Amino acid sequence: GENVEQHPSTLSVQEGDSAVIKCTYSDSASNYFPWYKQELGKRPQLIIDIRSNVGEKKDQRIAVTLNKTAKHFSLHITETQPEDSAVYFCAASIGSNYQLIWGAGTKLIIKP
Amino acid sequence: EPEVTQTPSHQVTQMGQEVILRCVPISNHLYFYWYRQILGQKVEFLVSFYNNEISEKSEIFDDQFSVERPDGSNFTLKIRSTKLEDSAMYFCASSEANQETQYFGPGTRLLVL
Repeated sequence: GENVEQHPSTLSVQEGDSAVIKCTYSDSASNYFPWYKQELGKRPQLIIDIRSNVGEKKDQRIAVTLNKTAKHFSLHITETQPEDSAVYFCAASIGSNYQLIWGAGTKLIIKP
Repeated sequence: EPEVTQTPSHQVTQMGQEVILRCVPISNHLYFYWYRQILGQKVEFLVSFYNNEISEKSEIFDDQFSVERPDGSNFTLKIRSTKLEDSAMYFCASSEANQETQYFGPGTRLLVL
Protein backbone atom coordinates (compact mmCIF):
# COMPACT_ATOMS: atom_id res chain seq x y z
CA GLY A 1 0.00 0.00 0.00
CA GLU A 2 0.91 3.67 -0.04
CA ASN A 3 3.70 4.83 2.24
CA VAL A 4 4.64 8.45 2.79
CA GLU A 5 8.03 9.39 4.19
CA GLN A 6 8.62 12.89 5.53
CA HIS A 7 11.87 14.66 6.42
CA PRO A 8 13.15 16.20 8.57
CA SER A 9 11.32 15.30 11.75
CA THR A 10 12.38 18.59 13.33
CA LEU A 11 13.44 21.78 11.59
CA SER A 12 14.71 24.87 13.35
CA VAL A 13 15.17 28.05 11.31
CA GLN A 14 15.87 31.67 12.08
CA GLU A 15 12.94 34.03 11.71
CA GLY A 16 12.95 35.43 8.21
CA ASP A 17 14.77 32.47 6.70
CA SER A 18 13.18 29.82 4.48
CA ALA A 19 12.07 26.36 5.51
CA VAL A 20 11.80 23.31 3.27
CA ILE A 21 10.09 20.06 4.17
CA LYS A 22 10.27 17.04 1.87
CA CYS A 23 8.06 14.02 1.35
CA THR A 24 8.23 10.94 -0.80
CA TYR A 25 5.43 8.55 -1.64
CA SER A 26 5.35 5.03 -2.99
CA ASP A 27 2.08 4.63 -4.91
CA SER A 28 2.33 6.10 -8.39
CA ALA A 29 -1.49 6.18 -8.55
CA SER A 30 -1.62 8.93 -5.91
CA ASN A 31 -2.59 12.21 -7.50
CA TYR A 32 -3.53 14.58 -4.69
CA PHE A 33 -1.03 15.90 -2.15
CA PRO A 34 -2.17 18.21 0.64
CA TRP A 35 -0.11 19.83 3.37
CA TYR A 36 -1.62 20.37 6.80
CA LYS A 37 -0.44 22.54 9.67
CA GLN A 38 -1.25 21.39 13.18
CA GLU A 39 -0.75 23.56 16.22
CA LEU A 40 -0.52 21.89 19.60
CA GLY A 41 -3.83 20.31 20.57
CA LYS A 42 -5.67 21.62 17.54
CA ARG A 43 -7.11 20.19 14.36
CA PRO A 44 -5.00 19.82 11.20
CA GLN A 45 -5.57 22.82 8.95
CA LEU A 46 -5.00 22.62 5.20
CA ILE A 47 -2.44 25.18 4.11
CA ILE A 48 -1.85 24.21 0.50
CA ASP A 49 -2.42 21.26 -1.81
CA ILE A 50 -1.30 20.18 -5.26
CA ARG A 51 -2.66 17.77 -7.82
CA SER A 52 -0.61 15.60 -10.11
CA ASN A 53 -1.31 17.66 -13.24
CA VAL A 54 0.58 20.60 -11.73
CA GLY A 55 4.30 20.83 -10.90
CA GLU A 56 4.23 23.83 -8.60
CA LYS A 57 1.71 25.90 -6.70
CA LYS A 58 2.24 29.06 -4.68
CA ASP A 59 0.15 30.94 -2.15
CA GLN A 60 1.90 34.01 -0.75
CA ARG A 61 4.81 32.74 1.39
CA ILE A 62 3.96 29.09 0.89
CA ALA A 63 4.75 26.98 -2.15
CA VAL A 64 4.61 23.30 -2.97
CA THR A 65 6.49 21.47 -5.71
CA LEU A 66 5.73 18.03 -7.08
CA ASN A 67 7.96 15.68 -9.03
CA LYS A 68 5.78 12.77 -10.15
CA THR A 69 8.62 10.92 -11.80
CA ALA A 70 10.65 10.87 -8.63
CA LYS A 71 7.54 10.59 -6.45
CA HIS A 72 8.43 13.40 -4.14
CA PHE A 73 6.91 16.72 -3.17
CA SER A 74 8.12 19.56 -1.01
CA LEU A 75 6.75 22.43 1.05
CA HIS A 76 8.58 25.74 0.95
CA ILE A 77 7.90 28.51 3.43
CA THR A 78 9.70 31.80 2.82
CA GLU A 79 10.22 34.71 5.20
CA THR A 80 9.28 32.56 8.18
CA GLN A 81 7.47 34.15 11.10
CA PRO A 82 6.97 33.00 14.71
CA GLU A 83 3.38 31.98 13.94
CA ASP A 84 4.69 29.47 11.42
CA SER A 85 5.89 27.33 14.36
CA ALA A 86 3.80 24.15 14.30
CA VAL A 87 3.87 20.56 13.12
CA TYR A 88 3.47 20.19 9.37
CA PHE A 89 2.14 17.01 7.78
CA CYS A 90 2.26 15.98 4.16
CA ALA A 91 -0.20 13.45 2.81
CA ALA A 92 -0.95 11.53 -0.36
CA SER A 93 -4.33 10.32 -1.52
CA ILE A 94 -5.21 6.74 -2.29
CA GLY A 95 -8.35 4.87 -3.14
CA SER A 96 -11.58 5.84 -4.78
CA ASN A 97 -12.54 8.29 -2.05
CA TYR A 98 -9.19 10.02 -1.74
CA GLN A 99 -8.44 8.83 1.76
CA LEU A 100 -5.18 10.33 2.92
CA ILE A 101 -2.00 8.57 3.92
CA TRP A 102 0.04 10.88 6.10
CA GLY A 103 3.70 11.52 6.68
CA ALA A 104 5.10 11.42 10.20
CA GLY A 105 5.17 15.20 10.54
CA THR A 106 7.83 17.89 10.83
CA LYS A 107 8.06 20.06 13.88
CA LEU A 108 9.01 23.50 12.61
CA ILE A 109 10.58 25.84 15.14
CA ILE A 110 11.08 29.49 14.23
CA LYS A 111 13.81 31.08 16.32
CA PRO A 112 13.37 34.82 17.00
CA GLU B 1 -17.21 29.84 7.66
CA PRO B 2 -18.78 26.42 8.34
CA GLU B 3 -16.68 23.92 10.27
CA VAL B 4 -16.76 20.26 11.14
CA THR B 5 -17.68 19.80 14.80
CA GLN B 6 -17.07 16.85 17.10
CA THR B 7 -18.33 15.80 20.50
CA PRO B 8 -17.20 15.12 23.10
CA SER B 9 -13.86 16.91 23.09
CA HIS B 10 -12.52 14.45 25.66
CA GLN B 11 -13.69 11.01 26.73
CA VAL B 12 -12.29 8.74 29.41
CA THR B 13 -13.52 5.17 29.49
CA GLN B 14 -12.70 1.83 31.02
CA MET B 15 -11.22 -0.92 28.91
CA GLY B 16 -13.96 -3.08 27.43
CA GLN B 17 -16.56 -0.32 27.40
CA GLU B 18 -18.29 0.94 24.30
CA VAL B 19 -17.77 4.52 23.16
CA ILE B 20 -19.51 6.56 20.50
CA LEU B 21 -17.75 9.54 19.00
CA ARG B 22 -19.91 12.05 17.23
CA CYS B 23 -19.24 14.33 14.31
CA VAL B 24 -21.30 16.88 12.44
CA PRO B 25 -19.78 17.33 8.98
CA ILE B 26 -20.16 20.50 6.96
CA SER B 27 -23.75 20.52 5.75
CA ASN B 28 -23.32 20.19 1.97
CA HIS B 29 -20.50 17.68 2.18
CA LEU B 30 -21.00 14.16 0.90
CA TYR B 31 -17.81 12.31 1.81
CA PHE B 32 -16.91 11.55 5.41
CA TYR B 33 -13.81 10.17 7.05
CA TRP B 34 -12.46 9.11 10.40
CA TYR B 35 -8.77 9.33 11.22
CA ARG B 36 -6.91 8.79 14.44
CA GLN B 37 -3.67 10.17 15.84
CA ILE B 38 -1.91 8.43 18.68
CA LEU B 39 -0.05 10.98 20.80
CA GLY B 40 3.08 12.17 19.04
CA GLN B 41 2.51 10.03 15.96
CA LYS B 42 1.18 10.49 12.46
CA VAL B 43 -2.45 10.73 11.52
CA GLU B 44 -3.82 7.36 10.38
CA PHE B 45 -6.77 6.72 8.08
CA LEU B 46 -9.54 4.57 9.56
CA VAL B 47 -12.54 4.67 7.25
CA SER B 48 -14.28 6.61 4.50
CA PHE B 49 -18.03 6.79 4.06
CA TYR B 50 -20.19 7.85 1.13
CA ASN B 51 -23.79 7.33 0.15
CA ASN B 52 -24.58 5.70 3.48
CA GLU B 53 -21.98 3.02 3.23
CA ILE B 54 -18.33 2.41 3.92
CA SER B 55 -16.19 3.07 0.88
CA GLU B 56 -12.79 2.10 2.20
CA LYS B 57 -11.36 1.01 5.52
CA SER B 58 -7.88 0.43 6.83
CA GLU B 59 -6.46 -2.53 8.71
CA ILE B 60 -7.00 -0.60 11.94
CA PHE B 61 -10.75 -0.55 11.36
CA ASP B 62 -11.52 -4.05 12.57
CA ASP B 63 -14.77 -5.59 13.78
CA GLN B 64 -14.67 -3.52 16.97
CA PHE B 65 -15.27 -0.37 14.93
CA SER B 66 -18.39 0.74 13.14
CA VAL B 67 -19.66 3.94 11.59
CA GLU B 68 -23.11 5.24 11.07
CA ARG B 69 -24.93 8.24 9.72
CA PRO B 70 -28.10 7.96 11.81
CA ASP B 71 -29.69 11.14 10.49
CA GLY B 72 -28.98 13.85 7.98
CA SER B 73 -26.35 15.58 10.05
CA ASN B 74 -24.47 13.26 12.42
CA PHE B 75 -21.70 10.84 11.55
CA THR B 76 -20.64 8.54 14.37
CA LEU B 77 -17.76 6.22 15.11
CA LYS B 78 -18.47 3.42 17.58
CA ILE B 79 -15.81 1.34 19.28
CA ARG B 80 -17.59 -1.66 20.70
CA SER B 81 -15.09 -2.90 23.29
CA THR B 82 -12.30 -0.43 23.84
CA LYS B 83 -8.70 -1.48 24.32
CA LEU B 84 -5.84 0.44 25.89
CA GLU B 85 -4.29 0.93 22.46
CA ASP B 86 -7.43 2.71 21.25
CA SER B 87 -6.32 5.74 23.25
CA ALA B 88 -5.78 8.47 20.67
CA MET B 89 -7.17 11.64 19.18
CA TYR B 90 -9.93 10.81 16.72
CA PHE B 91 -10.56 13.24 13.91
CA CYS B 92 -13.58 13.38 11.68
CA ALA B 93 -13.24 14.98 8.25
CA SER B 94 -15.57 15.77 5.40
CA SER B 95 -15.31 16.89 1.82
CA GLU B 96 -17.82 18.36 -0.58
CA ALA B 97 -17.11 15.97 -3.38
CA ASN B 98 -14.65 13.32 -4.29
CA GLN B 99 -11.15 14.66 -4.94
CA GLU B 100 -11.86 17.76 -2.91
CA THR B 101 -10.23 19.19 0.18
CA GLN B 102 -10.93 17.39 3.44
CA TYR B 103 -11.83 19.61 6.36
CA PHE B 104 -11.08 18.31 9.83
CA GLY B 105 -12.98 18.59 13.06
CA PRO B 106 -11.29 19.56 16.34
CA GLY B 107 -10.98 15.95 17.41
CA THR B 108 -12.05 13.81 20.35
CA ARG B 109 -9.31 12.78 22.72
CA LEU B 110 -10.11 9.25 23.89
CA LEU B 111 -8.36 7.80 26.90
CA VAL B 112 -8.91 4.13 27.71
CA LEU B 113 -7.94 3.08 31.23
